[in-house]
Amino acid sequence: IAGITQAPTSQILAAGRRMTLRCTQDMRHNAMYWYRQDLGLGLRLIHYSNTAGTTGKGEVPDGYSVSRANTDDFPLTLASAVPSQTSVYFCASRRDRERTEAFFGQGTRLTVV
Amino acid sequence: TQLLEQSPQFLSIQEGENLTVYCNSSSVFSSLQWYRQEPGEGPVLLVTVVTGGEVKKLKRLTFQFGDARKDSSLHITAAQTGDTGLYLCAGANAGGTSYGKLTFGQGTILTVHP
Repeated sequence: IAGITQAPTSQILAAGRRMTLRCTQDMRHNAMYWYRQDLGLGLRLIHYSNTAGTTGKGEVPDGYSVSRANTDDFPLTLASAVPSQTSVYFCASRRDRERTEAFFGQGTRLTVV
Repeated sequence: TQLLEQSPQFLSIQEGENLTVYCNSSSVFSSLQWYRQEPGEGPVLLVTVVTGGEVKKLKRLTFQFGDARKDSSLHITAAQTGDTGLYLCAGANAGGTSYGKLTFGQGTILTVHP
């Protein structure tokens, strides 16, 4: 079934450790996004990519990095995790950056202790 | 930074009542979308509005895009318990160096009681 796959589904991570959240889509979408969602409320944009090879910073990029080596994959890395990065992380993709529907993964629940 | 302010943040109503959720910004957007999110899942698109002043209807839901493309509203008529959920607005940047960014509001948690 076409869509977006995130891994892992959940993770408990010790503070100071490095962690990469994986995101893969098979819809050949150009644009991809990483959001974090706290307290069951709105989504805050961490990083985005309009096309393979390009990335941009969102509202809360500090402590996170991304890469977009190809169309399908958009990994999010926490270089040295801190407790304030405890959140639910959603990856999303759109066909392009114009007015099209964003499709979301199921999310990764990350707890930093 | 383009911010989308949603109001109210929480809404608790009885079945059959009408309600309106607002999404406001000081910035212009090329389009504005409304999503609904269920617990444990990612948001799912309800509608996209593109033209200033545009009105779209989806059964009992009416969406409007402001004339200046800075704000939007979602109106639900005769709410049902199945409407319970988190409603999110999202704006796409109109251009410039942030072209392509999709920014979400903080969401409105709607609870419809039987």
